[in-house]
Amino acid sequence: QVQLVESGGRLVKPGGSLRLSCAASGFTFTDYYMHWIRQAPGKGLEWISYISSNSGIIKYADSVKGRFTISRDNAKNSLYLGMNNLRADDTAVYFCAREAAGVLHPLDYWGQGTLVTVSS
Amino acid sequence: DIQMTQSPSSLSASVGERVTITCQASQDITNYLNWFQQKPGKAPKLLIHDVSNLETGVTNRFSGSGSGTDFTFTISSLQPEDIATYYCQQYDNLPYTFGQGTKLEIK
Repeated sequence: QVQLVESGGRLVKPGGSLRLSCAASGFTFTDYYMHWIRQAPGKGLEWISYISSNSGIIKYADSVKGRFTISRDNAKNSLYLGMNNLRADDTAVYFCAREAAGVLHPLDYWGQGTLVTVSS
Repeated sequence: DIQMTQSPSSLSASVGERVTITCQASQDITNYLNWFQQKPGKAPKLLIHDVSNLETGVTNRFSGSGSGTDFTFTISSLQPEDIATYYCQQYDNLPYTFGQGTKLEIK
């Protein structure tokens, strides 16, 4: 069955760095674009980044541009999010989600999320 | 960026009641509109894609309609297991954007 399992979230100080991972299984990873979406405590959903199946196209939300880096390793069926210069307002549960490659498909499956807390 | 305005932000209804949530996009998004359900501590679950297409295994008490900028999500007969927060989301353009969410409670 389809599985997306995020890991790497923890407590980090402001200005610190972190790398999140998303391990995919149960589907052909290269047939999918991948996204990161986050949710601050008690708040709504915020899309933050996208990477195409061959890493040729990468997009970021303005709120993380220049600080976060999305990447993927298709040989390992894994998605990553490098996070630098973390701020308190980056505190959130971070979800990875997949989108079938091609012309506009929905985010049809999400992982359970990993919590990042930025606090001194 | 496309803004998604969802209402109401919270809703209290009785079991068996018909429930409607609306979502308005700041520009025409054609039919690239999804509805998600999120229960506490869980990931969002895709219920409906492309305005009105029910995902496999999702109850047909749920339905969606609309076009262009105005969309509606309806639960025909509210059940206790429907208690959750519901989000609309556009994917016509990046950045994908979500409505603010509607928290549904049982009266």
